[in-house]
Amino acid sequence: GAGVSQTPSNKVTEKGKYVELRCDPISGHTALYWYRQSLGQGPEFLIYFQGTGAADDSGLPNDRFFAVRPEGSVSTLKIQRTERGDSAVYLCASSLDNTEAFFGQGTRLTVV
Amino acid sequence: GEDVEQSLFLSVREGDSSVINCTYTDSSSTYLYWYKQEPGAGLQLLTYIFSNMDMKQDQRLTVLLNKKDKHLSLRIADTQTGDSAIYFCAETDTGRRALTFGSGTRLQVQP
Repeated sequence: GAGVSQTPSNKVTEKGKYVELRCDPISGHTALYWYRQSLGQGPEFLIYFQGTGAADDSGLPNDRFFAVRPEGSVSTLKIQRTERGDSAVYLCASSLDNTEAFFGQGTRLTVV
Repeated sequence: GEDVEQSLFLSVREGDSSVINCTYTDSSSTYLYWYKQEPGAGLQLLTYIFSNMDMKQDQRLTVLLNKKDKHLSLRIADTQTGDSAIYFCAETDTGRRALTFGSGTRLQVQP
């Protein structure tokens, strides 16, 4: 596709469950970022991939959060033992040159 | 750590100019960005400026950067109702690829 695609667009899960959020970057973009946006706030950085490797995971809040990008394209953000405080919009962005980052529509995660 | 501050709300009349302001603390900022977010949508990159520039103009958008005061502004000429959205200022530097965002300025354009 032409832009960054994120699935699902909405996810409702019960507290304690495991969730996976998927990001398809723009074709050819080697850099991929995950951000989290809470209501009324700007996005906050979670993790950055350059190719297959996580170049910077300093934004992951705790060890319940993990992300992979095994083939250097699609990425999956995984959250274990979800908590109500994890409810937010999870945004993915990709970039060709680390100058312009293009964002997907986001996945709205609601933990009940 | 790095911090980016924006005013929360701006209201203008259609046809007027809008000026959205942003201040940041990171003296090693390399690129500064403006993103637009409409309700229920992702972030749309509007424009960005490299830190060695003072001004950048792109159609109705003018970005001004005062590096000494760490102040960035976005001017939208002839503001239209379709410009109503939340505008985010963001910055990054060469040592850190991730963007640091402000909390956003909600622009309301009244007909």
